[in-house]
Amino acid sequence: DTAVSQTPKYLVTQMGNDKSIKCEQNLGHDTMYWYKQDSKKFLKIMFSYNNKELIINETVPNRFSPKSPDKAHLNLHINSLELGDSAVYFCASSLGLAGVVGNEQFFGPGTRLTVL
Amino acid sequence: SQQGEEDPQALSIQEGENATMNCSYKTSINNLQWYRQNSGRGLVHLILIRSNEREKHSGRLRVTLDTSKKSSSLLITASRAADTASYFCATSRGSEKLVFGKGTKLTVNP
Repeated sequence: DTAVSQTPKYLVTQMGNDKSIKCEQNLGHDTMYWYKQDSKKFLKIMFSYNNKELIINETVPNRFSPKSPDKAHLNLHINSLELGDSAVYFCASSLGLAGVVGNEQFFGPGTRLTVL
Repeated sequence: SQQGEEDPQALSIQEGENATMNCSYKTSINNLQWYRQNSGRGLVHLILIRSNEREKHSGRLRVTLDTSKKSSSLLITASRAADTASYFCATSRGSEKLVFGKGTKLTVNP
């Protein structure tokens, strides 16, 4: 009965490879997010989707492409991985748009990506 | 640009003591939220305070907001070892993104 789940939990790969991270929420939420947390614990929004529509794209390189096949899923595909992509990636969801009272965000457990 | 800045960056206290963490931000906000992150886990929402509220309580948590000083504080009373975690403030200016601070790492020693 996990609320927001991500797979895989750990991902170790070589520079230049392409990889995907999957996210699913069973909360019936309309809005989903991808965040990147760097080694200094700074958490930064990457993308936000509301009802499968992209609403936030925070100047993320084109190598990152989110895909939302339905409201319950938001996957993240990364092309041509670079050393600087190493971080923990968190998926989150909320009932509606971020920042609106009542729309607290629920986070997944994170995916630790290491690019060698 | 980054909105929230937590202070201190790290805090170590004994079980039973109170822990106070501060958050300062730069622009006007609609609301401010506090989240907790246990080591190796995702963030968990703790409490939200609206811009027209000055204080809010939830169990052992007390949050204050001073919009004139653009600052908020999170007080955890009678701390427990299980409170050991990083605490983040996040601000919102409306129905858009949340902007998180860098967090305060709290260690509660048994």
